Parts: sequence; structure tokens; C-alpha cells
Amino acid sequence: QLQLQESGPGLVKPSETLSLTCTVSGGSISSGSYYWGWIRQPPGKGLEWIGSIQYTGNTYYNLSLKSRVTISVDTSKNQFSLKMRSMTAADTTVYYCARLRILRYCSSTSCLGAFDLWGQGTMVTVSS
Amino acid sequence: DIVMTQSPDSLPVSLGERATINCKSSQSLLYSSNNKNYLAWYQQKPGQPPKLLIYWASTRESGVPDRFSGSGSGTDFTLTISSLQAEDVAVYYCQQYYTTPPITFGQGTRLEIK
Repeated sequence: QLQLQESGPGLVKPSETLSLTCTVSGGSISSGSYYWGWIRQPPGKGLEWIGSIQYTGNTYYNLSLKSRVTISVDTSKNQFSLKMRSMTAADTTVYYCARLRILRYCSSTSCLGAFDLWGQGTMVTVSS
Repeated sequence: DIVMTQSPDSLPVSLGERATINCKSSQSLLYSSNNKNYLAWYQQKPGQPPKLLIYWASTRESGVPDRFSGSGSGTDFTLTISSLQAEDVAVYYCQQYYTTPPITFGQGTRLEIK
């Protein structure tokens, strides 16, 4: 059974870069039927999509975060990663990785689908 | 960006009763070429990640109990739980995938036992 697990520091200092990794186990990340994504959720609040990547390395991002975010994939390790620069207190939240099931199509700039498998999430606090 | 607005924010329902959650999108999610609505529903229980319940507005994900159903078209959608069980207490989110980026979610509806 495929599982996703986030890993990374729980505490980041303001202005620093957050690095998170999602490890996919029980299956291959190299499937053309899926993209892989990052979503965040402030405690007690709603969901914000950050960006998504395919195993080919094709990515697309939430434009509100694009200037600070890089998502990458390492198929040899069955992992994908998130880097978010210039962290502030507003970035204190739970970060989830998830699998995006492609329901219609993906172009070079977007992918139409829903998240059908999620990691447990990791809480990241931005504080000095 | 497509804005998703859910109502109500909080919904108390008695066990065994029907629960209805609404989701409204700022533009139509109906794609005319295939007559499908690009909308999904998720359930998030306390301390857990979201779980996909429904996609294409009315297609239940495998393993989801049939007391959960989705309906609606265009800009107005509904998630219905026909007979509320204690394990259904959760926050429910709708999500559009008609136009991305960005993928957008509703603000959530908290379902509780009355």
C-alpha cells in the first residue's frame, strides 16, 4: 500500500529556507497517472495548495508563492522535495505532501485532478 | 483564481439525521465538452490529513460509505451525509480542479454532533 511521509525540521528561523522531503513508499513515484504536491494548513484553518510536480520534473506552482518556492523530484530515491525561501511567522503551519490523481489532463502549466493520498503532515514553526 | 465558498461554517446535526454542506464556486466548474463538474470533496478528522471522498462532484472514492453523496452542477454543489454517524465528525472541504493553477479549496465546514 502506497504511503507518503514528510520529513524535515520542525523549527525554522525567520528569513531562512525551509526544506522538506516527502518519501513515497510501497509504490513508484514514476507513474504517469499522478502528480505529487505540497499543501499547507495553518492550525485550525483551511488548505492552501503550494505546488505540484511530476516524476519528469514538470512543475507548477501557486502564483502567490511561486517566487519563494521550488519543488523538485528524485526518482532514484522515490522522493520529492519542497524548498521555501524567506520564511516568516506567517509560514508557520502544517505542511502536507500528497498524490494528485490526474482526472482530466496535465499541460505544461497546469494539472487537473484531486489529491487521493496524503502524508500525515509535519508542523513547521518559524521562530527565532 | 476560482474562489470556493462553503456554507455553513459549522453544522450541528443529530446522530442518524441528514447533514447537508454547500459549496459555491465563483465561476462554473462544468466543462461542456464532457459534461463533468470539476469538483472534489474531502473529509478531515481531527489530527489527520484530509481524505478524498468524492470527485467529479458525485463520484464516490473507493471505500467511501454510500451514505456520502455529492450533487450539484455549475457553481452550486452539495455534500450530503444521509444518516450521520459519530465517526463522520470532521471538517469537510470542497476543491475545484477546473482551472489550475491554483488548485483552490473552500474554507471548510465543521460538522459536529448536536
